[in-house]
Amino acid sequence: DAGITQSPRHKVTETGTPVTLRCHQTENHRYMYWYRQDPGHGLRLIHYSYGVKDTDKGEVSDGYSVSRSKTEDFLLTLESATSSQTSVYFCAIRGTSGTYEQYFGPGTRLTVT
Amino acid sequence: QKEVEQNSGPLSVPEGAIASLNCTYSDRGSQSFFWYRQYSGKSPELIMSIYSNGDKEDGRFTAQLNKASQYVSLLIRDSQPSDSATYLCAVFMEYGNKLVFGAGTILRVKS
Repeated sequence: DAGITQSPRHKVTETGTPVTLRCHQTENHRYMYWYRQDPGHGLRLIHYSYGVKDTDKGEVSDGYSVSRSKTEDFLLTLESATSSQTSVYFCAIRGTSGTYEQYFGPGTRLTVT
Repeated sequence: QKEVEQNSGPLSVPEGAIASLNCTYSDRGSQSFFWYRQYSGKSPELIMSIYSNGDKEDGRFTAQLNKASQYVSLLIRDSQPSDSATYLCAVFMEYGNKLVFGAGTILRVKS
């Protein structure tokens, strides 16, 4: 499972509240990613990180911010949650074999009411 | 045109048959291709990777790549009910340094 954990695994929150999702990895991977998965859209990249304090935007970054203060943790923050951010969120890491494969965490199901 | 396209399915095959899943991509410069399997309520699991034109076999799975046609496929031989899942095609896009996923094909294997 590539040593990836996500917390919380499930969360229900109200519109307008801030939410932070955590991704933790134990194998010192440089690249980490946040995706959301919605029916009909597949997996869409929100933000990614290529090292401590090095992050960049993906295709659906509006309304989200990220931080990576240490190698093992990559945080995704919804500053003011909206109903359109109801989704399943997956964290992923890039493998270390020199290729571009990614391995996923178990996911967080977020519901914004 | 979407960057990575898959038929959403569902693709239904009888147990023991060959399931054929297809994917096309837009970036002619892409060099790395992956197939993921995702069971309902679970995270995607990498099952195959392919980088060169031709076939790559791993157990009951065969990935096929044709870069000239910008086409990648996954064959599952002797399909089992446990193969029922959504299969995601992913292509590493050199220009954006990102892995782009298709929306997935639902496979149903009927016993």
